[in-house]
Amino acid sequence: DVKVTQSSRYLVKRTGEKVFLECVQDMDHENMFWYRQDPGLGLRLIYFSYDVKMKEKGDIPEGYSVSREKKERFSLILESASTNQTSMYLCASTLLAGEGDTQYFGPGTRLTVL
Amino acid sequence: GNSVTQMEGPVTLSEEAFLTINCTYTATGYPSLFWYVQYPGEGLQLLLKATKADDKGSNKGFEATYRKETTSFHLEKGSVQVSDSAVYFCALSELPDMRFGAGTRLTVKP
Repeated sequence: DVKVTQSSRYLVKRTGEKVFLECVQDMDHENMFWYRQDPGLGLRLIYFSYDVKMKEKGDIPEGYSVSREKKERFSLILESASTNQTSMYLCASTLLAGEGDTQYFGPGTRLTVL
Repeated sequence: GNSVTQMEGPVTLSEEAFLTINCTYTATGYPSLFWYVQYPGEGLQLLLKATKADDKGSNKGFEATYRKETTSFHLEKGSVQVSDSAVYFCALSELPDMRFGAGTRLTVKP
């Protein structure tokens, strides 16, 4: 089974702090994604990556950056956390870029910014 | 642009009731369609999918048919169980674009 893990289930940070969210997948998937999940809004794509050192902006990249130095690891960085970044963050991966490909999700990190 | 609209919840049903969660989409081309389920405290997992018009996806008693003429992908189950209580997301993929609906929370009572 594909396994996608995220470094923390719950995280509390203060405004202005730099925050790192880590995601690791163990099935050699090419593509990795970061979403945020907010009530009533569903999932919104922040960034995705099709290969090591490659990244593409999603719908809401402002205030975020990403890093993919190794194929299995995709990090989301909040350079200066703000209260409106309080949310559930979900990482996902897929093997190929075909449209029928299933996304495999991690358990999520619930981030609270005070 | 592409978008997904799904039935707002929450939905509360008694065990063994019939379930329908409506989902319609807007797309520029021919996307693949998905239903994902999120159980409490977990990430999303694929429930079923369909990759072309008239395809029917099915899993665990749930079904959905890709209807191009009505741009719909409604989720149905004939007899729900308490264990089906979760949040259900409709999604479309027309890569690199991936869109999710807002989610519908289902609660099934014994």
